[in-house]
Amino acid sequence: AQSVTQPDIHITVSEGASLELRCNYSYGATPYLFWYVQSPGQGLQLLLKYFSGDTLVQGIKGFEAEFKRSQSSFNLRKPSVHWSDAAEYFCAVVGGTASKLTFGTGTRLQVTL
Amino acid sequence: EAGVTQFPSHSVIEKGQTVTLRCDPISGHDNLYWYRRVMGKEIKFLLHFVKESKQDESGMPNNRFLAERTGGTYSTLKVQPAELEDSGVYFCASSQVGTASYGYTFGSGTRLTVV
Repeated sequence: AQSVTQPDIHITVSEGASLELRCNYSYGATPYLFWYVQSPGQGLQLLLKYFSGDTLVQGIKGFEAEFKRSQSSFNLRKPSVHWSDAAEYFCAVVGGTASKLTFGTGTRLQVTL
Repeated sequence: EAGVTQFPSHSVIEKGQTVTLRCDPISGHDNLYWYRRVMGKEIKFLLHFVKESKQDESGMPNNRFLAERTGGTYSTLKVQPAELEDSGVYFCASSQVGTASYGYTFGSGTRLTVV
């Protein structure tokens, strides 16, 4: 069975600082990996996804993530955080042609001015 | 195009009452999914419709939960009778393709509080 671990429940960064949110997954083969964001009052929005190929994936809003097979990780990064990035971030995995996403518990990001 | 719409956005009910959540998927999306997030925990899959048929309902927690998608358009999720542990955020999502590998479009969720 696949699983996702997001070790950081809550992270606080200053506006303009860099950000890295951690995600580790467990899956027997090469997974499909996703990062979603939920801003207050909004739905889950897809930031980026990894299928295959280049292990550094670019997403919306200036986010990127790097797939590292050896570490079973898919960490999300942003070089300079904006106050509007305050939200909850979810890493998710799916294997093959499965229809279910398996999510992590989420990381809540707070941005201080 | 309109996104996935969920009604209501919030619902507060007493234990033992019935609540019905509604999801309107993106027009033309045959695949509709329900997920739930209980406070502080991960978002968990509940079930998957393809048109009006239940493709996978392995995540439904118990028989107090009934999901329907009559006519293959909107879907309802009824909880009867509601228990305290049913509190959480219920998300609906839809997609054209029936695999999660392309990602879904999620709605903004219904926050259910059972008191």
